[in-house]
Amino acid sequence: DGGITQSPKYLFRKEGQNVTLSCEQNLNHDAMYWYRQDPGQGLRLIYYSQIVNDFQKGDIAEGYSVSREKKESFPLTVTSAQKNPTAFYLCASKRQVTDYQPQHFGDGTRLSIL
Amino acid sequence: QKEVEQNSGPLSVPEGAIASLNCTYSDRGSQSFFWYRQYSGKSPELIMSIYSNGDKEDGRFTAQLNKASQYVSLLIRDSQPSDSATYLCAVSAAGGTSYGKLTFGQGTILTVHP
Repeated sequence: DGGITQSPKYLFRKEGQNVTLSCEQNLNHDAMYWYRQDPGQGLRLIYYSQIVNDFQKGDIAEGYSVSREKKESFPLTVTSAQKNPTAFYLCASKRQVTDYQPQHFGDGTRLSIL
Repeated sequence: QKEVEQNSGPLSVPEGAIASLNCTYSDRGSQSFFWYRQYSGKSPELIMSIYSNGDKEDGRFTAQLNKASQYVSLLIRDSQPSDSATYLCAVSAAGGTSYGKLTFGQGTILTVHP
């Protein structure tokens, strides 16, 4: 089945530690996105990528980093600089950045501080 | 700052009634409009897309768009308890490097009681 796979489902971070969230898609989509959702709030864009080896900062990129070495993969690293990382992280993709089609989401990773 | 505002909830309707969810947006150049449903603890699921003024119907769901008033709504007819969820309005920015980026409202919690 085609889809977006995020792992792990739950992740715990110790103070001062960097953690990496995985996002893989087999939909042959060029555009991929990372969002953060805090309780009772909508989604906020962290980073997005329209093609391999290219990515752009979203609205809340500070304390996060990404890479896009393969079309299928768009991992997100939550660095120790992100002081309030507890949130629900969602990866999304769509065919191209420049079309008007909707984004589709993975199942998400819930990150908490130990 | 481009914003998307949804009617404050929570919204409670009896089973079989019509639920009406509203959303306004500030970017007059927006081109694409989406409604996502999010069950508690799950990722958002696309339920409606609308791109031109007027109504679009899909089963029990009707999306309405009025670009002049910068307003988009979702009607759910014959509401069922399984419709109880948070509904997120999302708007796609237009132009330049904003293509493909979604701005989300804060969500409206809908409860359908038997």
